[in-house]
Amino acid sequence: KAGVTQTPRYLIKTRGQQVTLSCSPISGHRSVSWYQQTPGQGLQFLFEYFSETQRNKGNFPGRFSGRQFSNSRSEMNVSTLELGDSALYLCASSLEGGLGTGELFFGEGSRLTVL
Amino acid sequence: GQQLNQSPQSMFIQEGEDVSMNCTSSSIFNTWLWYKQDPGEGPVLLIALYKAGELTSNGRLTAQFGITRKDSFLNISASIPSDVGIYFCAGSHYNQGGKLIFGQGTELSVKP
Repeated sequence: KAGVTQTPRYLIKTRGQQVTLSCSPISGHRSVSWYQQTPGQGLQFLFEYFSETQRNKGNFPGRFSGRQFSNSRSEMNVSTLELGDSALYLCASSLEGGLGTGELFFGEGSRLTVL
Repeated sequence: GQQLNQSPQSMFIQEGEDVSMNCTSSSIFNTWLWYKQDPGEGPVLLIALYKAGELTSNGRLTAQFGITRKDSFLNISASIPSDVGIYFCAGSHYNQGGKLIFGQGTELSVKP
């Protein structure tokens, strides 16, 4: 069974640009969550999508957005990039997300560097 | 954002030693989970706990869901070099299984 796939693995952007990250969940999983990991703040929850609807949202500015497609694949977008957005962005999938056990399976992440 | 208090922050141990780490929270959790993250990879789920007092093992790993539902610990017995990595505790509230709150991590180093 294939795991969670994230693309791209690495990317470099400059301040003010925008970026889109993609996540393909484990087959059959309907929930996708996104997390930001930085050395200073650790792992922070961004948002969760379930059946194309945002179920939960963390404390991030509106520049961070996401969506989920009918095949459960998800994308997240960060607009007007700032230096502080440099981080590892992790996608996690689960069968039912908030309705389920909370067991999340993570991808390898997309490492974003903002110059 | 909210984080769990995880300790210790780092550990340097000899191969074969046992390891213990724990997490505490100011709020009650419905689920406690323990993850391990290797460099350049995403966290991998080690153990999931769903009931207060529950004690669960996965090979040399044993974790417990605290009676108060505000804490959890992870023990690793007879450590080996491949145990090296960062261990994270995480908790989720009722009906918020997709939103995990993570501890700061415990970096484990094992000396052969």
